[in-house]
Amino acid sequence: AQSVTQLGSHVSVSEGALVLLRCNYSSSVPPYLFWYVQYPNQGLQLLLKYTSAATLVKGINGFEAEFKKSETSFHLTKPSAHMSDAAEYFCAVTPSGTGGYNKLIFGAGTRLAVHP
Amino acid sequence: GAGVSQSPSNKVTEKGKDVELRCDPISGHTALYWYRQRLGQGLEFLIYFQGNSAPDKSGLPSDRFSAERTGESVSTLTIQRTQQEDSAVYLCASRAGPEMEQYFGPGTRLTVT
Repeated sequence: AQSVTQLGSHVSVSEGALVLLRCNYSSSVPPYLFWYVQYPNQGLQLLLKYTSAATLVKGINGFEAEFKKSETSFHLTKPSAHMSDAAEYFCAVTPSGTGGYNKLIFGAGTRLAVHP
Repeated sequence: GAGVSQSPSNKVTEKGKDVELRCDPISGHTALYWYRQRLGQGLEFLIYFQGNSAPDKSGLPSDRFSAERTGESVSTLTIQRTQQEDSAVYLCASRAGPEMEQYFGPGTRLTVT
């Protein structure tokens, strides 16, 4: 069964500092991986996705993530944090292959705070 | 174009009452999902519809929960005899096709008193 672990339920960074949000997955087959962002009182918005193409994936708002099979990781990074990045971030996994792309398995989320 | 919409945005109900939540997916999206998000937690999968195939109900927590979808249009999630532990945000998502991402609605916040 697939599962997702997000290390750190809360992360706080200074404006302009590097953002690193960690995600590790377990999956018996090569997965598809996603990062979603949720702003207060809003639904989830897709930041980026990995679907077995390039291992370094670039997303919206300057975020990127690297798929590392050997480490079973898909950490999210942004070189310079902006105040508007403050939100909750969710990593999710779904098994690849025919018939497997149905539900997403989500991590518990990481709340990112950005201070001046 | 319009995104996924959900109604109501907020629902307060008394314990023991039935509630019905509605989801309007993006037009043309064949797949539709329901998730539950409890306070401070990630999303839990509830149910998945794909076209005319039998739905994947493996995430429904009890037989008090049910969902319907007519064709590739509106879906309703019904919770019977609500309990306080049903309090959560219920999110709906739709997807255009295989290997496409899910687009989420704003959710319905359900509070059971």
